[in-house]
Amino acid sequence: NAGVTQTPKFRVLKTGQSMTLLCAQDMNHEYMYWYRQDPGMGLRLIHYSVGEGTTAKGEVPDGYNVSRLKKQNFLLGLESAAPSQTSVYFCASSWARPSGTDTQYFGPGTRLTVL
Amino acid sequence: GENVEQHPSTLSVQEGDSAVIKCTYSDSASNYFPWYKQELGKRPQLIIDIRSNVGEKKDQRIAVTLNKTAKHFSLHITETQPEDSAVYFCAAADTGGFKTIFGAGTRLFVKA
Repeated sequence: NAGVTQTPKFRVLKTGQSMTLLCAQDMNHEYMYWYRQDPGMGLRLIHYSVGEGTTAKGEVPDGYNVSRLKKQNFLLGLESAAPSQTSVYFCASSWARPSGTDTQYFGPGTRLTVL
Repeated sequence: GENVEQHPSTLSVQEGDSAVIKCTYSDSASNYFPWYKQELGKRPQLIIDIRSNVGEKKDQRIAVTLNKTAKHFSLHITETQPEDSAVYFCAAADTGGFKTIFGAGTRLFVKA
């Protein structure tokens, strides 16, 4: 049982390049989330999904797209990377809504630098 | 919009002393308040949580209190140890549940 995993761990991009971050969970969780973490700003929700085939915008969705084609995977895409997207990205998953019976389990993070 | 304010941003204590971190939230619909610990270079991990129908919860050396009227909640760590050194985040989730708002974090240093 690996929990929540993220690929890749590190990445350096040039402005304008595109990339996809992959999140996978083996806990059969319905809900999945993408956050970014910047110094002094805590975690901010980018997008989330309440089940296979669904996605929704979070607090800071601009510049990102997501897809949830399979229940266990949640992909975060950057179509045209900008330096402002330099951050650490965390994926999380949970059984139910955070205010329900379970909490969010986080992946190990992806450190992205955009030059 | 909704926000969660967390204080202090940095806290340094001597081993064995207590540490208190305070948070306030703005969304009166919030009813779930988790606390996460994040060690350097690691992922955030839940250490304790509290729901709005409870005023206090304790788990060994960690306790959390909630004052819904004042929209305050606090984390108390007693008998601190060097391994408690980390960044601690408070958070508040609304009844819809999908939007968890995190505080900016408190970096705790426990000096041996």
